[in-house]
Amino acid sequence: SQKIEQNSEALNIQEGKTATLTCNYTNYSPAYLQWYRQDPGRGPVFLLLIRENEKEKRKERLKVTFDTTLKQSLFHITASQPADSATYLCAPEGRSNYQLIWGAGTKLIIKP
Amino acid sequence: DGGITQSPKYLFRKEGQNVTLSCEQNLNHDAMYWYRQDPGQGLRLIYYSQIVNDFQKGDIAEGYSVSREKKESFPLTVTSAQKNPTAFYLCASSSQGSIQPQHFGDGTRLSIL
Repeated sequence: SQKIEQNSEALNIQEGKTATLTCNYTNYSPAYLQWYRQDPGRGPVFLLLIRENEKEKRKERLKVTFDTTLKQSLFHITASQPADSATYLCAPEGRSNYQLIWGAGTKLIIKP
Repeated sequence: DGGITQSPKYLFRKEGQNVTLSCEQNLNHDAMYWYRQDPGQGLRLIYYSQIVNDFQKGDIAEGYSVSREKKESFPLTVTSAQKNPTAFYLCASSSQGSIQPQHFGDGTRLSIL
C-alpha cells in the first residue's frame, strides 16, 4: 500500500539558518505533491505544489524539490524565523481523483 | 473574506449519542472533504463530495454519515456506532480535481464524556 513518511521527531533550527524537511513515499509514483503548514489547534494551510516533471519550486523563502528516483520531496525554509515554527505536512497525490495521502507531519521549532 | 467555518470548536459526546459537526464554505468550491486527525498520524479521509447531492466514502467512513444538500454546507454526523470518536475533525474544500489546493477550517475537537 502507499506509504508516506516524514520525520516524526521535532526539528530544532537556529534562527537565520535553513530548515530542511523530508517526505518519503513508497510503493507508488504520485504525479504531484503538496506541502501544508499547520499551527496548533488550526487547520492546515496550503504552501506549495510541485509536479513530477518539476525538479524544484520556489515561493519567497520556501523551496520544494521532487526527486522521483529517490521517491522523496524536500522542503526548505531559508533565513528561518521563529514565526516559521509549526508542523509541516506533505501530501502526495492519492490513488484516485480527489484524494491526497497525508504524512503525519514534522514539527519545526525555530529558536531565536 | 472567503473561507471555511467549522462549528463548534469543542464538542463533547455522551455514550450512545449522535453528534453533528457543521462545515460551511463561501469559496464557491464544488468539492468538500471531512478528515480525522489523531496524534502522530496523517489526516485520514472520512467522506468527500464532488458535487451537491453526491458523496463518497473515504478510508474510514464507518460510524460516520454526511449530507450535501447545498453547495456551501457539508455536515458530518458522528454516530454512536463510532466507538472511538475522540479526535480533531477537519473540513476542507477545493475546486474540482485533487491537484487543487485544499482550504481548511479550524477544526472541531470531539471528546467523550
